[in-house]
Amino acid sequence: QKEVEQNSGPLSVPEGAIASLNCTYSDRGSQSFFWYRQYSGKSPELIMSIYSNGDKEDGRFTAQLNKASQYVSLLIRDSQPSDSATYLCAVKDYGQNFVFGPGTRLSVLP
Amino acid sequence: GAVVSQHPSWVICKSGTSVKIECRSLDFQATTMFWYRQFPKQSLMLMATSNEGSKATYEQGVEKDKFLINHASLTLSTLTVTSAHPEDSSFYICSARARTTYYEQYFGPGTRLTVT
Repeated sequence: QKEVEQNSGPLSVPEGAIASLNCTYSDRGSQSFFWYRQYSGKSPELIMSIYSNGDKEDGRFTAQLNKASQYVSLLIRDSQPSDSATYLCAVKDYGQNFVFGPGTRLSVLP
Repeated sequence: GAVVSQHPSWVICKSGTSVKIECRSLDFQATTMFWYRQFPKQSLMLMATSNEGSKATYEQGVEKDKFLINHASLTLSTLTVTSAHPEDSSFYICSARARTTYYEQYFGPGTRLTVT
Protein backbone atom coordinates (compact mmCIF):
# COMPACT_ATOMS: atom_id res chain seq x y z
CA GLN A 1 0.00 0.00 0.00
CA LYS A 2 1.33 3.39 -0.98
CA GLU A 3 2.01 5.58 2.04
CA VAL A 4 2.86 9.18 2.70
CA GLU A 5 4.16 9.98 6.15
CA GLN A 6 4.43 13.25 8.01
CA ASN A 7 5.15 14.18 11.60
CA SER A 8 1.79 15.21 13.03
CA GLY A 9 3.31 17.93 15.18
CA PRO A 10 2.51 20.39 16.44
CA LEU A 11 5.62 22.09 15.16
CA SER A 12 6.08 25.37 16.98
CA VAL A 13 8.39 28.08 15.65
CA PRO A 14 8.80 31.72 16.69
CA GLU A 15 7.68 34.46 14.34
CA GLY A 16 10.37 35.29 11.79
CA ALA A 17 12.03 31.87 11.99
CA ILE A 18 12.23 29.19 9.29
CA ALA A 19 9.68 26.41 9.56
CA SER A 20 10.77 23.08 8.09
CA LEU A 21 8.12 20.51 7.23
CA ASN A 22 9.06 17.02 6.10
CA CYS A 23 7.36 14.24 4.20
CA THR A 24 8.42 10.76 3.13
CA TYR A 25 6.69 8.48 0.65
CA SER A 26 6.85 4.79 -0.09
CA ASP A 27 6.18 4.56 -3.83
CA ARG A 28 9.36 5.02 -5.88
CA GLY A 29 7.23 5.50 -8.97
CA SER A 30 5.74 8.72 -7.63
CA GLN A 31 5.85 11.51 -10.17
CA SER A 32 4.39 14.68 -8.72
CA PHE A 33 4.52 16.16 -5.24
CA PHE A 34 2.35 18.81 -3.71
CA TRP A 35 2.06 20.83 -0.53
CA TYR A 36 -1.34 22.01 0.64
CA ARG A 37 -2.18 24.32 3.52
CA GLN A 38 -5.38 23.77 5.47
CA TYR A 39 -6.67 26.23 8.01
CA SER A 40 -8.96 24.90 10.71
CA GLY A 41 -12.47 24.42 9.38
CA LYS A 42 -11.43 25.18 5.81
CA SER A 43 -10.54 23.04 2.79
CA PRO A 44 -6.95 22.51 1.60
CA GLU A 45 -5.28 25.11 -0.58
CA LEU A 46 -2.48 24.22 -3.01
CA ILE A 47 0.63 26.24 -2.20
CA MET A 48 3.49 24.42 -3.94
CA SER A 49 4.09 21.68 -6.46
CA ILE A 50 7.37 20.08 -7.42
CA TYR A 51 8.20 17.42 -10.00
CA SER A 52 11.99 17.17 -10.31
CA ASN A 53 14.83 16.78 -7.84
CA GLY A 54 16.13 19.92 -6.23
CA ASP A 55 14.62 23.10 -4.87
CA LYS A 56 11.71 25.17 -6.06
CA GLU A 57 11.13 28.59 -4.57
CA ASP A 58 7.95 30.66 -4.54
CA GLY A 59 8.05 33.73 -2.33
CA ARG A 60 8.67 32.65 1.25
CA PHE A 61 8.11 28.99 0.38
CA THR A 62 10.73 26.54 -0.85
CA ALA A 63 9.94 22.95 -1.74
CA GLN A 64 12.77 20.43 -1.82
CA LEU A 65 12.57 17.05 -3.49
CA ASN A 66 14.97 14.11 -3.23
CA LYS A 67 13.59 11.15 -5.14
CA ALA A 68 16.50 8.87 -4.23
CA SER A 69 15.67 9.33 -0.55
CA GLN A 70 11.92 9.48 -1.23
CA TYR A 71 11.74 12.71 0.68
CA VAL A 72 10.05 16.04 0.07
CA SER A 73 10.14 19.05 2.33
CA LEU A 74 8.67 22.52 2.60
CA LEU A 75 10.55 25.45 4.09
CA ILE A 76 8.71 28.58 5.14
CA ARG A 77 10.99 31.56 5.65
CA ASP A 78 10.14 34.51 7.88
CA SER A 79 7.25 32.55 9.40
CA GLN A 80 4.19 34.58 10.32
CA PRO A 81 1.35 33.78 12.73
CA SER A 82 -0.90 33.62 9.66
CA ASP A 83 1.13 30.61 8.50
CA SER A 84 -0.25 28.62 11.45
CA ALA A 85 -2.19 25.79 9.81
CA THR A 86 -1.97 22.12 8.95
CA TYR A 87 0.28 21.36 6.01
CA LEU A 88 -0.57 18.35 3.90
CA CYS A 89 1.92 16.58 1.68
CA ALA A 90 0.43 14.84 -1.36
CA VAL A 91 2.03 12.47 -3.82
CA LYS A 92 0.79 11.39 -7.24
CA ASP A 93 1.93 8.32 -9.18
CA TYR A 94 1.79 7.66 -12.93
CA GLY A 95 -1.92 7.10 -12.78
CA GLN A 96 -4.73 8.79 -10.94
CA ASN A 97 -3.58 7.78 -7.48
CA PHE A 98 -3.14 10.81 -5.30
CA VAL A 99 -2.16 10.01 -1.71
CA PHE A 100 -2.26 12.55 1.09
CA GLY A 101 -0.20 12.45 4.24
CA PRO A 102 -1.88 12.98 7.61
CA GLY A 103 -0.60 16.54 7.82
CA THR A 104 1.71 18.47 10.12
CA ARG A 105 0.22 21.13 12.36
CA LEU A 106 2.37 24.27 12.38
CA SER A 107 2.08 26.91 15.07
CA VAL A 108 3.94 30.20 14.60
CA LEU A 109 4.26 31.99 17.89
CA PRO A 110 4.18 35.82 17.89
CA GLY B 1 -7.68 30.43 -12.20
CA ALA B 2 -8.46 26.90 -10.99
CA VAL B 3 -11.47 27.76 -8.87
CA VAL B 4 -13.74 25.04 -7.53
CA SER B 5 -17.05 25.85 -5.90
CA GLN B 6 -19.29 23.76 -3.69
CA HIS B 7 -22.89 24.21 -2.76
CA PRO B 8 -24.22 24.34 -0.15
CA SER B 9 -21.46 25.42 2.21
CA TRP B 10 -23.36 23.98 5.14
CA VAL B 11 -26.55 21.99 5.56
CA ILE B 12 -28.56 20.59 8.44
CA CYS B 13 -30.94 17.74 7.71
CA LYS B 14 -33.05 15.26 9.61
CA SER B 15 -32.07 11.64 9.97
CA GLY B 16 -33.43 9.55 7.11
CA THR B 17 -33.50 12.30 4.53
CA SER B 18 -31.17 12.78 1.54
CA VAL B 19 -28.83 15.64 0.83
CA LYS B 20 -27.23 16.62 -2.48
CA ILE B 21 -23.91 18.47 -2.65
CA GLU B 22 -22.73 20.09 -5.88
CA CYS B 23 -19.13 20.57 -6.94
CA ARG B 24 -18.27 22.79 -9.90
CA SER B 25 -15.00 23.69 -11.58
CA LEU B 26 -15.58 27.30 -12.56
CA ASP B 27 -12.75 28.12 -14.94
CA PHE B 28 -11.39 24.81 -16.15
CA GLN B 29 -12.60 21.45 -17.34
CA ALA B 30 -12.19 18.58 -14.92
CA THR B 31 -12.43 15.09 -16.33
CA THR B 32 -11.81 13.77 -12.84
CA MET B 33 -13.23 14.95 -9.54
CA PHE B 34 -12.66 13.52 -6.10
CA TRP B 35 -14.86 13.43 -3.03
CA TYR B 36 -13.34 13.48 0.43
CA ARG B 37 -14.70 13.36 3.94
CA GLN B 38 -12.95 14.84 6.94
CA PHE B 39 -13.91 14.38 10.56
CA PRO B 40 -12.73 16.90 13.17
CA LYS B 41 -8.97 16.83 13.78
CA GLN B 42 -8.53 13.97 11.32
CA SER B 43 -6.95 13.82 7.90
CA LEU B 44 -8.72 13.74 4.56
CA MET B 45 -10.35 10.46 3.64
CA LEU B 46 -10.90 9.81 -0.05
CA MET B 47 -14.40 8.49 -0.62
CA ALA B 48 -14.55 8.16 -4.38
CA THR B 49 -13.07 9.19 -7.70
CA SER B 50 -15.53 10.51 -10.25
CA ASN B 51 -14.84 10.50 -13.97
CA GLU B 52 -17.03 12.43 -16.37
CA GLY B 53 -19.51 10.21 -18.14
CA SER B 54 -18.70 7.03 -16.24
CA LYS B 55 -19.40 5.40 -12.91
CA ALA B 56 -17.52 6.55 -9.86
CA THR B 57 -14.85 4.42 -8.27
CA TYR B 58 -15.42 4.06 -4.54
CA GLU B 59 -12.78 3.47 -1.90
CA GLN B 60 -12.98 0.37 0.23
CA GLY B 61 -15.55 0.71 2.97
CA VAL B 62 -17.55 3.46 1.27
CA GLU B 63 -21.10 2.38 0.44
CA LYS B 64 -21.87 3.28 -3.16
CA ASP B 65 -25.61 2.95 -2.61
CA LYS B 66 -25.48 5.43 0.24
CA PHE B 67 -23.16 7.97 -1.35
CA LEU B 68 -24.40 8.47 -4.89
CA ILE B 69 -22.02 10.28 -7.20
CA ASN B 70 -22.92 11.71 -10.59
CA HIS B 71 -20.38 13.40 -12.83
CA ALA B 72 -22.69 14.68 -15.54
CA SER B 73 -20.39 17.15 -17.25
CA LEU B 74 -16.79 18.33 -17.36
CA THR B 75 -17.58 21.00 -14.76
CA LEU B 76 -20.10 19.41 -12.42
CA SER B 77 -20.12 16.48 -10.04
CA THR B 78 -22.73 15.81 -7.36
CA LEU B 79 -22.66 13.75 -4.19
CA THR B 80 -25.97 12.64 -2.70
CA VAL B 81 -25.97 11.30 0.83
CA THR B 82 -29.02 9.07 0.99
CA SER B 83 -30.90 8.14 4.17
CA ALA B 84 -28.53 10.25 6.21
CA HIS B 85 -27.69 9.30 9.78
CA PRO B 86 -26.00 11.35 12.50
CA GLU B 87 -22.75 9.45 11.93
CA ASP B 88 -22.69 10.88 8.39
CA SER B 89 -22.20 14.34 9.89
CA SER B 90 -18.86 15.51 8.57
CA PHE B 91 -17.02 17.98 6.36
CA TYR B 92 -17.35 16.89 2.73
CA ILE B 93 -14.82 18.32 0.30
CA CYS B 94 -14.58 17.88 -3.44
CA SER B 95 -11.57 18.46 -5.60
CA ALA B 96 -11.11 18.72 -9.32
CA ARG B 97 -8.08 17.66 -11.24
CA ALA B 98 -6.77 20.08 -13.81
CA ARG B 99 -5.97 18.81 -17.27
CA THR B 100 -2.41 20.04 -17.11
CA THR B 101 0.82 18.14 -17.34
CA TYR B 102 1.06 17.43 -13.66
CA TYR B 103 -2.62 17.10 -12.76
CA GLU B 104 -2.81 19.30 -9.73
CA GLN B 105 -5.91 18.93 -7.59
CA TYR B 106 -7.84 22.01 -6.56
CA PHE B 107 -10.26 21.83 -3.68
CA GLY B 108 -13.69 23.28 -3.23
CA PRO B 109 -14.44 25.15 0.00
CA GLY B 110 -16.21 22.15 1.52
CA THR B 111 -19.72 21.41 2.77
CA ARG B 112 -20.39 20.92 6.45
CA LEU B 113 -23.20 18.39 6.90
CA THR B 114 -25.00 17.99 10.20
CA VAL B 115 -27.59 15.24 10.52
CA THR B 116 -29.93 15.59 13.47
